[in-house]
Amino acid sequence: DQQVKQNSPSLSVQEGRISILNCDYTNSMFDYFLWYKKYPAEGPTFLISISSIKDKNEDGRFTVFLNKSAKHLSLHIVPSQPGDSAVYFCAASDETSGSRLTFGEGTQLTVNP
Amino acid sequence: EAQVTQNPRYLITVTGKKLTVTCSQNMNHEYMSWYRQDPGLGLRQIYYSMNVEVTDKGDVPEGYKVSRKEKRNFPLILESPSPNQTSLYFCASSLRYSNYGYTFGSGTRLTVV
Repeated sequence: DQQVKQNSPSLSVQEGRISILNCDYTNSMFDYFLWYKKYPAEGPTFLISISSIKDKNEDGRFTVFLNKSAKHLSLHIVPSQPGDSAVYFCAASDETSGSRLTFGEGTQLTVNP
Repeated sequence: EAQVTQNPRYLITVTGKKLTVTCSQNMNHEYMSWYRQDPGLGLRQIYYSMNVEVTDKGDVPEGYKVSRKEKRNFPLILESPSPNQTSLYFCASSLRYSNYGYTFGSGTRLTVV
């Protein structure tokens, strides 16, 4: 049972445009959400997070939106840069599981110059 | 430098030959975890540990063992590897409750023939 789903395995955008990566979850107990970025031959690195008490969190070019009623979150990258090309993982946790994270399948983002 | 170190980075082995993948962190993190990454399945948790001498199964623990005798080390043991354990493995660590999630190692590419 995949509790966190990223339905788009890949996304291709033009440099300078907006990238929107989507993530859906089924477990209503999840209260904290994170995005990780992974380059080839490296481990995932933390990108941005959001608590369920918020609906938006912004950090430079990266913004995460949370729609709790729809159990949906999205990551917006504006403007997209070729260096953003990577696999992006959505992850979620709930306070009862402490530090345990449940990850989605990942989306390969390619930003074309 | 704060990091999670996994060894080896690459390993090719034969079915049934016991192996250990080591993981060490220098951040005094309580929580450590092992994940495997497979195409289309994302990151799936194998085992995790909330602290020394405390370990628990994740989502896909079959065929794996772990131990947590010291806070910094969390080795992954495959007693009798099989080809379906061919995968990319990541070790991760975090504080008990962290807004930044995990710090990941660089990964171990395991091939079982």
